[in-house]
Amino acid sequence: DAMVIQNPRYQVTQFGKPVTLSCSQTLNHNVMYWYQQKSSQAPKLLFHYYDKDFNNEADTPDNFQSRRPNTSFCFLDIRSPGLGDAAMYLCATSTWNQGRMADTQYFGPGTRLTVL
Amino acid sequence: GDSVTQMEGPVTLSEEAFLTINCTYTATGYPSLFWYVQYPGEGLQLLLKATKADDKGSNKGFEATYRKETTSFHLEKGSVQVSDSAVYFCALRSSSASKIIFGSGTRLSIRP
Repeated sequence: DAMVIQNPRYQVTQFGKPVTLSCSQTLNHNVMYWYQQKSSQAPKLLFHYYDKDFNNEADTPDNFQSRRPNTSFCFLDIRSPGLGDAAMYLCATSTWNQGRMADTQYFGPGTRLTVL
Repeated sequence: GDSVTQMEGPVTLSEEAFLTINCTYTATGYPSLFWYVQYPGEGLQLLLKATKADDKGSNKGFEATYRKETTSFHLEKGSVQVSDSAVYFCALRSSSASKIIFGSGTRLSIRP
């Protein structure tokens, strides 16, 4: 089945130790998103890619970076995790075609990050 | 800016009860409206959507009608089941934007 896959599902890191979260998709969608979701809150968009075009949200800290080496993969890098970065990180995909964004986003299962 | 307001939870109901989760929005133009569901430990799944006024989205017994006059998109189900226990997010995407604006979520618990 076509899907959005996130690895690992659970990640533990130490305060200040860089960590990378991975997302892959078999949907061949040209848009990929990274969200941060803290407990009992709505997902907060960090950034998204339209193909290789990176779009950062204005309030996303510099500590968060992303890479998209090809259509299928997208990575979230947290350069120096703080305790406040502990959260669920969700990857999602969608399509942008002929100047129109598709309505539906397809979400992965998320990676729960713990910072010790 | 665009925003979504939904009723705070948690909402606790008995099995087979009628469910309503209120959602109102603020947006310019004619946004698309969504309900997403998040089961414990999982990502979000699209439950239903409506793209224009008076459209009704429906799925798995859930329904919501796009009401432009009241800027609302309330979620309803006639008879809930234990398996419906989850967090429900109302959301919108304006026609000019590429991102979705989520409400704060409503946690629903169904007692057997």
